[in-house]
Amino acid sequence: GAGVSQSPSNKVTEKGKDVELRCDPISGHTALYWYRQSLGQGLEFLIYFQGNSAPDKSGLPSDRFSAERTGGSVSTLTIQRTQQEDSAVYLCASSLRLAGSGTDTQYFGPGTRLTVL
Amino acid sequence: AQSVTQLDSHVSVSEGTPVLLRCNYSSSYSPSLFWYVQHPNKGLQLLLKYTSAATLVKGINGFEAEFKKSETSFHLTKPSAHMSDAAEYFCVVSADFGNEKLTFGTGTRLTIIP
Repeated sequence: GAGVSQSPSNKVTEKGKDVELRCDPISGHTALYWYRQSLGQGLEFLIYFQGNSAPDKSGLPSDRFSAERTGGSVSTLTIQRTQQEDSAVYLCASSLRLAGSGTDTQYFGPGTRLTVL
Repeated sequence: AQSVTQLDSHVSVSEGTPVLLRCNYSSSYSPSLFWYVQHPNKGLQLLLKYTSAATLVKGINGFEAEFKKSETSFHLTKPSAHMSDAAEYFCVVSADFGNEKLTFGTGTRLTIIP
């Protein structure tokens, strides 16, 4: 079946502009995660969704970052007033997250490479 | 809190020789541990995972890892390296509770010498 997809694959923007990054998880996966991969910070967790709610937003680096998920499926990560330090690859992952099943495997999308000029 | 330490940022081996990528973990709870691989310009792919069943875990492409609680280690091995194994490898830990967010190591770049 289809894997996790993300769009756009590449995004170049000017400092101060807003950007939206999209993630389509694997069909039926209830859990969705956003991570960021940058040269200075490695791979870091941003936010976790279970269904449409986000019980853990602890990784969002500032209030310029927000995310939502609708219909228990697609998620959008929005970065307002982008800064050069936001340049990174943004990765989305999804998992089944069945209750009592233990730790599920997270399947990753190809990422969106964001460059802020 | 949980964390992983990958002891080598770069490992080079000759084709056909064994591979050893080292990882130590720290977790307050019973951890789940993973190895992911990232080939150049490709997404992250799961190699194998440990979730408190057998301590020796076999993964794809001939890789395996052994969970050693006494040493808090989860080293990745392969008996014979192939050119296609050249990639970045990440050791990852997830607490066995809560939201299961992944905490990644800093990665080990594996180079295969022909």
